[in-house]
Amino acid sequence: GENVEQHPSTLSVQEGDSAVIKCTYSDSASNYFPWYKQELGKGPQLIIDIRSNVGEKKDQRIAVTLNKTAKHFSLHITETQPEDSAVYFCAASTGYFNDMRFGAGTRLTVKP
Amino acid sequence: KAGVTQTPRYLIKTRGQQVTLSCSPISGHRSVSWYQQTPGQGLQFLFEYFSETQRNKGNFPGRFSGRQFSNSRSEMNVSTLELGDSALYLCASSSASRNEKLFFGSGTQLSVL
Repeated sequence: GENVEQHPSTLSVQEGDSAVIKCTYSDSASNYFPWYKQELGKGPQLIIDIRSNVGEKKDQRIAVTLNKTAKHFSLHITETQPEDSAVYFCAASTGYFNDMRFGAGTRLTVKP
Repeated sequence: KAGVTQTPRYLIKTRGQQVTLSCSPISGHRSVSWYQQTPGQGLQFLFEYFSETQRNKGNFPGRFSGRQFSNSRSEMNVSTLELGDSALYLCASSSASRNEKLFFGSGTQLSVL
């Protein structure tokens, strides 16, 4: 089955700096890669996703890149703000039924 | 549009008891899936329902079961609770026939004493 590894487990940056979180997956059939943000006391919230036919996608300060050959994808947050502090999860799925597998999460802290 | 609603928000049970959790998906969403979240194991898939049929099941014992009603609302049941069942149980809904763009509820925090 799919195995998703996520690094780093914790990340601390200064406000205004960029943050990068990386994930690797094992199943070459995976074709959908979402990123979720989870704040304390809340469920994960989808912030951006990318499909295997696209190499990069941007949404304001957030971008995701995908390297299918190397089986890894990354989340990039620019101009970080304190409200970006949360736990971020990557995930990978082949899209069949519900086989989405999540990474272990990255706790991002943005210091003001 | 209302989000995914999970009730109750918190539950405290003792070992051996059973518990039922409820999930109301986003209006129009027909797929509902359940996840268990713990600090040690992360987010683990329990099962998924689409149009009242369980389409897929994760690697959890038979004590974990679920169902979906005709209005897409779903319930999850855990029987003979164990201490290790303490976790945040998350429900997610999706409009797609195949899982994509999951929208999660805030979860039910279950504590087993």
